[in-house]
Amino acid sequence: RKEVEQDPGPFNVPEGATVAFNCTYSNSASQSFFWYRQDCRKEPKLLMSVYSSGNEDGRFTAQLNRASQYISLLIRDSKLSDSATYLCVVNEWENSGGSNYKLTFGKGTLLTVNP
Amino acid sequence: SAVISQKPSRDICQRGTSLTIQCQVDSQVTMMFWYRQQPGQSLTLIATANQGSEATYESGFVIDKFPISRPNLTFSTLTVSNMSPEDSSIYLCSVVPRGPEAFFGQGTRLTVV
Repeated sequence: RKEVEQDPGPFNVPEGATVAFNCTYSNSASQSFFWYRQDCRKEPKLLMSVYSSGNEDGRFTAQLNRASQYISLLIRDSKLSDSATYLCVVNEWENSGGSNYKLTFGKGTLLTVNP
Repeated sequence: SAVISQKPSRDICQRGTSLTIQCQVDSQVTMMFWYRQQPGQSLTLIATANQGSEATYESGFVIDKFPISRPNLTFSTLTVSNMSPEDSSIYLCSVVPRGPEAFFGQGTRLTVV
């Protein structure tokens, strides 16, 4: 039973398109939520944290619905450089000085933005 | 932030041998995490390493197969023992200096033949 499930993808979109990724998680006690980006043959890097109030960073908007255990990422006006795998990530524990910290990763959704 | 130097970046190994992967962090951190990323899959936590104590392994991973050392607050090693082709994967170390962001090493791409 998967703990974090994402759209399987892949997504192929033209430049300038808007694309949305969805994610659900099974552990209702999960504490914090993130979207990471992983470029081909590179390590994952934090794109943004996700809050219940929703948060926006330029062209990127993330939403969290705790009742539905659902997380989303919206990318507007997509660029060629947005091509990557987007990982939905959930922290199951309260992070206190680095202890009791466990990240669970979704399988990732591959996005390709075409010229 | 944290900068992690992970070595080797890749290796091709014979089955039955062992490979030790090293991670050096540019700052002191309490916990270091080791992940495996199999082809086409996401990251799976192998174990969490504390300085001066035994690592905590996740279900499906055992110390005899994946021994971990954590001699100080900036360094850790993961050994993949008695390798088989099923161990071919990318192995990554990670730290969380202050939270919530996790930082990763560049990964070790292991192929077992």
